Amino acid sequence: NAGVTQTPKFQVLKTGQSMTLQCAQDMNHEYMSWYRQDPGMGLRLIHYSVGAGITDQGEVPNGYNVSRSTTEDFPLRLLSAAPSQTSVYFCASSFTSGITNEQFFGPGTRLTVL
Amino acid sequence: AQSVAQPEDQVNVAEGNPLTVKCTYSVSGNPYLFWYVQYPNRGLQFLLKYITGDNLVKGSYGFEAEFNKSQTSFHLKKPSALVSDSALYFCAVRDWDSGGYQKVTFGIGTKLQVIP
Repeated sequence: NAGVTQTPKFQVLKTGQSMTLQCAQDMNHEYMSWYRQDPGMGLRLIHYSVGAGITDQGEVPNGYNVSRSTTEDFPLRLLSAAPSQTSVYFCASSFTSGITNEQFFGPGTRLTVL
Repeated sequence: AQSVAQPEDQVNVAEGNPLTVKCTYSVSGNPYLFWYVQYPNRGLQFLLKYITGDNLVKGSYGFEAEFNKSQTSFHLKKPSALVSDSALYFCAVRDWDSGGYQKVTFGIGTKLQVIP
């Protein structure tokens, strides 16, 4: 199994541009989520999904959209990039939405918005 | 609201000495607690979790954690530190939010530096 994969690894955007961060998992996990990691702030939840067709907002959802059309894929869309969205983005998944399950993380996407 | 605190930004320990990385939590219901490790330029990796039962939980790479309900703590420990343990460690708590969905809250992380 490849686990959780993310593309691209690095991205530089100009303010106002849009883009999609890709996330895929091959473990048939129900639960998937997106986090951003900023220095001194740990990981903050952006959006999550408890299954195909079901998504919800996390702690910092503004400026981001998600969809979950398949179990495997959970793309994160930046609608109009802003410098405040410069961060490292991690996708994660777990077997079910049960809260006893640990999460598996992708390698991350480092995004810079100029 | 649930929260996790990691009071130390950095912990330095000599190789071969025991290490402790501290975590305290606040939740309204039963605590479901996790420790993750992040090596440079990598994603987080699961180390161990406490769900119920024995207060001493054993995990990967020789790490263990002690759950203390009265002190609302879940400290990560290892009897003998290795240089390769140097990394960023995150404590996390998982709980249900008011909308019926689960919510995961991470601490800000503690950088562990093991000195040769």
